[in-house]
Amino acid sequence: DAGVIQSPRHEVTEMGQEVTLRCKPISGHNSLFWYRQTMMRGLELLIYFNNNVPIDDSGMPEDRFSAKMPNASFSTLKIQPSEPRDSAVYFCASSPSGGGRQPQHFGDGTRLSIL
Amino acid sequence: GQNIDQPTEMTATEGAIVQINCTYQTSGFNGLFWYQQHAGEAPTFLSYNVLDGLEEKGRFSSFLSRSKGYSYLLLKELQMKDSASYLCALHGSSNTGKLIFGQGTTLQVKP
Repeated sequence: DAGVIQSPRHEVTEMGQEVTLRCKPISGHNSLFWYRQTMMRGLELLIYFNNNVPIDDSGMPEDRFSAKMPNASFSTLKIQPSEPRDSAVYFCASSPSGGGRQPQHFGDGTRLSIL
Repeated sequence: GQNIDQPTEMTATEGAIVQINCTYQTSGFNGLFWYQQHAGEAPTFLSYNVLDGLEEKGRFSSFLSRSKGYSYLLLKELQMKDSASYLCALHGSSNTGKLIFGQGTTLQVKP
């Protein structure tokens, strides 16, 4: 079975550029989560969707970050303009419905470096 | 708010038993997850505790005590491949999938 698929796996770009991260959740999963992981702050939830609707975006750092889920099989996280402090590993995860008691399945992550 | 504490690093010997603790302060939660994360890889699910007590899954067990505000992950018959970070995460009181992760404990297994 295909797991959560993220692209690109690695991204290196210069500050000020727009960055778009992509995620395809596991088919049939109703919830989708975007996380950011750094050594300093650990794994932080940025935003999550339930049935394609954003439920909680309180973790989104600032207006430079935006996320969309146009359909059940695709989501994007966009950073515009990017800054060096955005360098991190960004994970997408999905889970079945069930009030959160089902485990989240993580993609392999996008390693983002902003120069 | 929620606060989760885990030891930053632990070292253990191959074949031994190790206990990784997780303490938390929260006003309420549905349950507690443990995830394993190897260096450079994604977190993977290990266990989920809702009720107090021990949940056993092969070499791994997880324990929860709500009254004492702590959980632990017990790893038996340690293998070199168990070297990884172990993350505990609180599943909040709202009926959603939102998790709050601890900083993780990096376990190094030595021969």
